[in-house]
Amino acid sequence: NAGVTQTPKFRVLKTGQSMTLLCAQDMNHEYMYWYRQDPGMGLRLIHYSVGEGTTAKGEVPDGYNVSRLKKQNFLLGLESAAPSQTSVYFCASSYQGFLNQPQHFGDGTRLSIL
Amino acid sequence: GENVEQHPSTLSVQEGDSAVIKCTYSDSASNYFPWYKQELGKRPQLIIDIRSNVGEKKDQRIAVTLNKTAKHFSLHITETQPEDSAVYFCAAQMDSSYKLIFGSGTRLLVRP
Repeated sequence: NAGVTQTPKFRVLKTGQSMTLLCAQDMNHEYMYWYRQDPGMGLRLIHYSVGEGTTAKGEVPDGYNVSRLKKQNFLLGLESAAPSQTSVYFCASSYQGFLNQPQHFGDGTRLSIL
Repeated sequence: GENVEQHPSTLSVQEGDSAVIKCTYSDSASNYFPWYKQELGKRPQLIIDIRSNVGEKKDQRIAVTLNKTAKHFSLHITETQPEDSAVYFCAAQMDSSYKLIFGSGTRLLVRP
C-alpha cells in the first residue's frame, strides 16, 4: 500500500513550457486535491476533485488545469509555465465518509520555472 | 469564506518544556480541525484532529483543545523532544465543504 504517489519529484522548466504532474493513490479515496506550498504561506488549494470525472477550482486555480479520468489518478497541468509557479506541489486524497476525513499527502513535487 | 490564523509563526523551546500553538477560525460552521506536522523536505502528516462535538483530545504527549464560542483551537505538546522540531499546520473544514483551509504554519524548534 503505497498511499499517495507523486511524479516527478523534481523538475526544472523554462518559462512558457508545459508539463503535467501526476498523482496516484491506491486507497480507493473519492476525494483528491492539489496544493501549492510557498515559504511562509502554508498550503493553498489549487483544484480538487470529489470523484472520477469531476473537478473544481480552489483558492489559486489560475494557470493550472486538472483532470480526473480515473478514480486513482489526478493530473495537474501547467500549459505555459511562469516563474510565479515555482513552488512545491502536494497532492492529497481523502475518504468520503459521513464526517469529514483526514487528507493524506504525497511526498511533493519541487518545481522550478526559470 | 473561511480564514484560519495561526500563531506564533516561530516558537523555540527547551527540550522537556511544553509548546502551545494557537489557531483561530472565522466561520462558525467549521466543525473539523486537523493538525499536521511537516518535517523539512517531507510531506505534511496528520498528528491529531478534533471535531466540534469534542472539547479536548489527547494522544500521548500531544493534545488539542477547541473553544467553539471563541472560535479557536490549540495544539499542546508536552515534554518536547528534538524530534518534535518541525513546521506545524492547523486547518479547519466545514461539513458542507470538501476543502481544508490551512493556517500559515508554526516553525517549532526544540533546543537540546
